[in-house]
Amino acid sequence: DAKTTQPPSMDCAEGRAANLPCNHSTISGNEYVYWYRQIHSQGPQYIIHGLKNNETNEMASLIITEDRKSSTLILPHATLRDTAVYYCIVRVAVWTPGNMLTFGGGTRLMVKP
Amino acid sequence: DTAVSQTPKYLVTQMGNDKSIKCEQNLGHDTMYWYKQDSKKFLKIMFSYNNKELIINETVPNRFSPKSPDKAHLNLHINSLELGDSAVYFCASSQTGGGDTQYFGPGTRLTVL
Repeated sequence: DAKTTQPPSMDCAEGRAANLPCNHSTISGNEYVYWYRQIHSQGPQYIIHGLKNNETNEMASLIITEDRKSSTLILPHATLRDTAVYYCIVRVAVWTPGNMLTFGGGTRLMVKP
Repeated sequence: DTAVSQTPKYLVTQMGNDKSIKCEQNLGHDTMYWYKQDSKKFLKIMFSYNNKELIINETVPNRFSPKSPDKAHLNLHINSLELGDSAVYFCASSQTGGGDTQYFGPGTRLTVL
C-alpha cells in the first residue's frame, strides 16, 4: 500500500464543514483512496472511497486532486458525534493475499460546540 | 441486527491462560479479519481469511491462531497469554468484488494480569 500523510489533529466548530486533508504522493494507478473513522471505544467505520472522480454519500464527500496525489474528506455539517480519528488509506479495491488494510496514525478531529 | 459481532466485549485473565474471542458476521461476506489495537492506538492487521486461505501477518506470534468453522465466523484463539497481549482486538469482514470495504465489530478489550 502507498503511504499517506495526515495532520495529527484538527478542530472544527459544530455545524461548520470539516475538511480533512490527506497526501498520498506515491499512489499507484489502480489504488483507491479510502477513508475510515474510529469514534472513541468503537470499531473503525467505513466512510467513503474513490479512485479519481469526486465521490459523495450520505456521510461525506471525497475530493481527489487531478494528479491523485492528495485528497480531502469533507464532512459538510460537522456534529459533536463526528469527533473521531479519521484514517486515510490507499490500496487496491480488491482482496488479494497480502493486500492488507494498513492504518496509519490518522487525524484526530475534535468538533467543538 | 448487528452486522459484525464479537464476544466477549471485555476479557480479563491471568498470564499463561488460554482464551478465545468469537466473531460472527451476518453480512454474507467471504473474507474476515482480525486486527489488534494497542495502547498507542495503532491498528494492525493480524490475519485475513478468505475461502479457507489464511494470510498471516508475519509479526503475529504463533500463540495466536484463527479458526473458521464456517464463512460467517472467525474465532481467535490465544495460547499462553502474555502481558503484551493486552489490547483491543477487532474483527472485520468484507466481500470480494465489493470494493473490499471492511466492516468492523465493536472490539474486545483483553487485559492480561
